[in-house]
Amino acid sequence: QKEVEQNSGPLSVPEGAIASLNCTYSDRGSQSFFWYRQYSGKSPELIMSIYSNGDKEDGRFTAQLNKASQYVSLLIRDSQPSDSATYLCAVNQRYGNKLVFGAGTILRVKS
Amino acid sequence: EAGVVQSPRYKIIEKKQPVAFWCNPISGHNTLYWYRQNLGQGPELLIRYENEEAVDDSQLPKDRFSAERLKGVDSTLKIQPAELGDSAVYLCASSWPTGLIRHTGELFFGEGSRLTVL
Repeated sequence: QKEVEQNSGPLSVPEGAIASLNCTYSDRGSQSFFWYRQYSGKSPELIMSIYSNGDKEDGRFTAQLNKASQYVSLLIRDSQPSDSATYLCAVNQRYGNKLVFGAGTILRVKS
Repeated sequence: EAGVVQSPRYKIIEKKQPVAFWCNPISGHNTLYWYRQNLGQGPELLIRYENEEAVDDSQLPKDRFSAERLKGVDSTLKIQPAELGDSAVYLCASSWPTGLIRHTGELFFGEGSRLTVL
């Protein structure tokens, strides 16, 4: 079982729709969760962090965390073509204080 | 504020040759990371420094990879000799000290060094 799992996609959504990206993790003791966006040929950039169960909203982005189900998601409302990128889920493992990345989900927003 | 600076951006070498990558973190960031990212994969940690101390190098292939962070600021990652499978993007990142739990995971990445081994 991979430490952080994501569907590789690509996930295709029309412009203006809601994009839903999902991530599961194996270390039940993990406390910190992050979403990074990576444009093609560029380096990852942090877009959301979440530490407690529930939802956290920032503009068009909402991160959702369910520790009991070991599940993290990212919702992007009113998706724009500029949101087309790979979205990396990252989890800070309790043991070793190590940040582990998933393989990423490719999102394509069609205009 | 200047970001994380890496060089070179691109490097093409033949197998068995040595190569070195350099990184200068954001000023004040005590924690420095080297990640390797293969095509279609997420970044994989090679080594993490707290100041000049390597606190996690468990995934660094020590037979051919070495790293140093003299004076706790900039860092160099070296591969000698390079193998075909080392072709990847080598990412340097920095963050505030990881003792501050809420900063762990909030990494700032450089633009990366793309290595091609022929």
